Amino acid sequence: EVQLLESGGGLVQPGGSLRLSCAASGFTFRNNAMGWVRQAPGKGLEWVSDISGSGRKTYYADSVKGRFTISRDNSKNTLYLQMNSLRAEDTALYYCAKEPDSESYGHLDYWGQGTLVTVSS
Amino acid sequence: DVVLTQSPLSLPVTLGQPASISCRSSQSLVFSDGITYLTWFQQRPGQSPRRLIYKVSNRDSGVPDRFSGSGSVTDFTLKISRVEAEDVGVYYCMQGTHWPLTFGQGTRLEIK
Repeated sequence: EVQLLESGGGLVQPGGSLRLSCAASGFTFRNNAMGWVRQAPGKGLEWVSDISGSGRKTYYADSVKGRFTISRDNSKNTLYLQMNSLRAEDTALYYCAKEPDSESYGHLDYWGQGTLVTVSS
Repeated sequence: DVVLTQSPLSLPVTLGQPASISCRSSQSLVFSDGITYLTWFQQRPGQSPRRLIYKVSNRDSGVPDRFSGSGSVTDFTLKISRVEAEDVGVYYCMQGTHWPLTFGQGTRLEIK
């Protein structure tokens, strides 16, 4: 059974940093691209970032480019999102999601439960 | 960026009646490999999104066959043949053809 467990969310001041983690199990992690999607309170879904199965290719939404970095450790079956220079508008529930293969994007066949990031002074 | 426009944004439906959600793209979603990467998700209240349909019309395992997807190029539709109480929630389309990936605004389905 595929399981994705996010962690690392919390309250952070504007300009601060946070690193999210997503522990994956139930599939061969290195064989699948992975992504992050966020949802601001009461709002719709917004794609944030994706990474290929090898980790060599990364993609970002314009709203986070230059501030967020996606990475993965295939030896630990873990996906990361390093978030720097956080803004109030980054406040959201952040979901980790699995892609169906190593270089397919935007198909997100399994999702975690999300971790909440609140940016506020 | 590709803009996906869903309609309606709110959809009150009587139990047992059909429902239809439109997703229109500002650009063709046909990829260079000839495949159209349009996906539908369901988000029930308080839950994470769940994929229902991928590549326009392929239903995920465990998704009831009352859900179907259709369309091509820029116009796509999610249909529910007979709405049940468990179908309440928000439905999103998403495109995986162009970077950045984008979602529609969401359509809230409620029971009338």
